[in-house]
Amino acid sequence: GAVVSQHPSRVICKSGTSVKIECRSLDFQATTMFWYRQFPKQSLMLMATSNEGSKATYEQGVEKDKFLINHASLTLSTLTVTSAHPEDSSFYICSARTPGQANTEAFFGQGTRLTVV
Amino acid sequence: KQEVTQIPAALSVPEGENLVLNCSFTDSAIYNLQWFRQDPGKGLTSLLLIQSSQREQTSGRLNASLDKSSGRSTLYIAASQPGDSATYLCAVLTGANNLFFGTGTRLTVIP
Repeated sequence: GAVVSQHPSRVICKSGTSVKIECRSLDFQATTMFWYRQFPKQSLMLMATSNEGSKATYEQGVEKDKFLINHASLTLSTLTVTSAHPEDSSFYICSARTPGQANTEAFFGQGTRLTVV
Repeated sequence: KQEVTQIPAALSVPEGENLVLNCSFTDSAIYNLQWFRQDPGKGLTSLLLIQSSQREQTSGRLNASLDKSSGRSTLYIAASQPGDSATYLCAVLTGANNLFFGTGTRLTVIP
């Protein structure tokens, strides 16, 4: 299947600093990528939809000024957690679907474990 | 709003057993349903994708079925192995371009 690569896999940062997470589609072009957050023993919740060349679409309750998304190319989307606080500690996963119609298969990155101390 | 439920939340079986994981969703207007595997602290690995027009998909020891009208899907794992131990997630794709996930079934296969 298609490959989505996410980096870093694990990051620890101090409260108040910013953290950038990268998501790359390695063998296909993704005009749309998705960012999810997963709290322990909970399911994945969509945070935002990242659109290449335009602004991201955020889900209700997700602060767009705190979670900055940039999708500057067809293979790279970044999520920056700004002024991180301990409550932002979570598992962040990106996803992309292979090009084609709306019902193509979704592939996920390896996830990023963010710990804010 | 679409809600996805997975039962059971956890399951332990001895090696070699066949098992069934269940997934139900409240809104049948879906594009497709996908089953994933998630190992602890890792991302998701896609196992099977069933389009809304399909009834089942098979890959190796895995078979997934879809009954869209009743809002149900099952994942059948034959001859389970310890390496199958993981959390299994189902997700449905809606017209809003969103994947709605269940909370998963944590499977442990005992050697």
